[in-house]
Amino acid sequence: AQTVTQSQPEMSVQEAETVTLSCTYDTSESDYYLFWYKQPPSRQMILVIRQEAYKQQNATENRFSVNFQKAAKSFSLKISDSQLGDAAMYFCAYRRGGNINQFYFGTGTSLTVIP
Amino acid sequence: NAGVTQTPKFQVLKTGQSMTLQCAQDMNHEYMSWYRQDPGMGLRLIHYSVGAGITDQGEVPNGYNVSRSTTEDFPLRLLSAAPSQTSVYFCASSYAQRGGELFFGEGSRLTVL
Repeated sequence: AQTVTQSQPEMSVQEAETVTLSCTYDTSESDYYLFWYKQPPSRQMILVIRQEAYKQQNATENRFSVNFQKAAKSFSLKISDSQLGDAAMYFCAYRRGGNINQFYFGTGTSLTVIP
Repeated sequence: NAGVTQTPKFQVLKTGQSMTLQCAQDMNHEYMSWYRQDPGMGLRLIHYSVGAGITDQGEVPNGYNVSRSTTEDFPLRLLSAAPSQTSVYFCASSYAQRGGELFFGEGSRLTVL
């Protein structure tokens, strides 16, 4: 089975600064998808960004971008110009390719934003 | 836009009681699943379904039962609640197409005394 590792249980960042959350995964597959989900105190799981493994270009969504290193099996999330509303638990997730609906989640990183 | 709807949002049970967590989605998703979230353990898959009448076990299925009689509904049953089942439960769904993301319900916090 695929495994997803988030080695930083907690991170903090000053407001307006940049922070990078780490995620590594283990797979022997070449076709897969990667996601970052945000879970604020409201508990709702919100999709932040997704990356297709076959795309070399790193995905970007406004202040959120990823550094996808396929050979290293690394998928880090960079949050620029951090805002108080970015404070949340962030989960990295791996989905197998094709029509296979199998998702694997990391254990999460709790991000604190310091005013 | 209802999306994925879970009920109840909070529930307290006594050991040995049974209950059902309801989940409904209005996006015509083929795939539906239940996860439990525990501190430091991320989300762990309990059961999933790839279509009406088809269910399968995930990583932590013991003590839980599911059925999928319609595309929209995927209830999770706790047959005889145990304190180890105290957790936050999420229902999630997605299209079966390549790379579809998971859409989550708002979660249900269950406490078993």
